[in-house]
Amino acid sequence: DARVTQTPRDKVTEMGQEVTMRCQPILGHNTVFWYRQTMMQGLELLAYFRNRAPLDDSGMPKDRFSAEMPDATLATLKIQPSEPRDSAVYFCASGLGVYNEQFFGPGTRLTVL
Amino acid sequence: GENVEQHPSTLSVQEGDSAVIKCTYSDSASNYFPWYKQELGKRPQLIIDIRSNVGEKKDQRIAVTLNKTAKHFSLHITETQPEDSAVYFCAASNRDNRLAFGKGNQVVVIP
Repeated sequence: DARVTQTPRDKVTEMGQEVTMRCQPILGHNTVFWYRQTMMQGLELLAYFRNRAPLDDSGMPKDRFSAEMPDATLATLKIQPSEPRDSAVYFCASGLGVYNEQFFGPGTRLTVL
Repeated sequence: GENVEQHPSTLSVQEGDSAVIKCTYSDSASNYFPWYKQELGKRPQLIIDIRSNVGEKKDQRIAVTLNKTAKHFSLHITETQPEDSAVYFCAASNRDNRLAFGKGNQVVVIP
């Protein structure tokens, strides 16, 4: 039963520190998404990739967030420097194109103090 | 971009009754409408989806209806059970091929 994996599952850090979150999409999936979930805003799309190419990252604060796919088995989301308002659960999802099911990872719960 | 709204934000139902969650969307070009279920502390999971060339789709106790003219779609859960208690998210794909999610509905099934 293939699943999307994410590391770390929980991260507590201090304001100003760099945070890197990693995601391993399901093998064979060509589309990868990064979402942020908060009580106030719900699920927000931060970025997505198709065949490792970034298609849309308009949901990300460009000055501090960056998303990359160094290879087909790894997607990363970095925050530098982190701020308390970045505290949220960050989900990675993968799929076979936008019009098909997105399979979500377990999420990374980020707390910035 | 696409804007998706869900109503009501919280829904309580007696076990065995039906639950209906409604979503509206803004972009008439949207043509794919999935529903995700998220249990507390877990990941969202797809439970049903519908494309714009279909008006209704059913899978056991779950059904989704789509009204393209009015730009709204609904999730119907019949014979609710305690394990149906969760947050349900609707979503729509817009002309930019992005999935826009609603803010979620908390469904509570009272035994």
